[in-house]
Amino acid sequence: DAGITQSPRHKVTETGTPVTLRCHQTENHRYMYWYRQDPGHGLRLIHYSYGVKDTDKGEVSDGYSVSRSKTEDFLLTLESATSSQTSVYFCAISTSKQGVRTEAFFGQGTRLTVV
Amino acid sequence: LAKITQPISMDSYEGQEVNITCSHNNIATNDYITWYQQFPSQGPRFIIQGYKTKVTNEVASLFIPADRKSSTLSLPRVSLSDTAVYYCLVVGDYKLSFGAGTTVTVRA
Repeated sequence: DAGITQSPRHKVTETGTPVTLRCHQTENHRYMYWYRQDPGHGLRLIHYSYGVKDTDKGEVSDGYSVSRSKTEDFLLTLESATSSQTSVYFCAISTSKQGVRTEAFFGQGTRLTVV
Repeated sequence: LAKITQPISMDSYEGQEVNITCSHNNIATNDYITWYQQFPSQGPRFIIQGYKTKVTNEVASLFIPADRKSSTLSLPRVSLSDTAVYYCLVVGDYKLSFGAGTTVTVRA
């Protein structure tokens, strides 16, 4: 599992409140990602990071911000949660090894419910 | 970014071979074709990756024609435990975009 830990694993929050999800990795991988997964949409990329303080937007970045102040932590923040952000959120890292270019490893997921 | 098209769902029976074809017409020269598998309540996991011709590992085979505009993931002799969502990705850099995937259901 490439040493990836997501926290919390489950969260229920109220509309309009800020929420921060944390992704922690133990192997100093450069690239980290946040995805959301909803029925019928597969996995959609929210933001990704290619180094400390280096981040970029994915396909569905509106309403989300990220920060990466240390190599091991990639934080996803919902500034003001809405019901449309109820989803399962996955963090991932990617690495390259001999014979395989860019293999992604995923965390266990965080189930977020906005009520 | 290469536009990916793959079937939404496929049904099969235990012991059969399952072939999932993915279309990626505008694939770039430096892009690799990669497949992932996802079980319910888990994150996707890497299955196989290729650039051209055929790649085989202990889990699957990947067939890529010379024009690289499509690819076919082949799962030999599937079992019930192969029921999952399969994603086709075209990987050019580190921006990994998945999409809806193909839901494969294996029946007894």
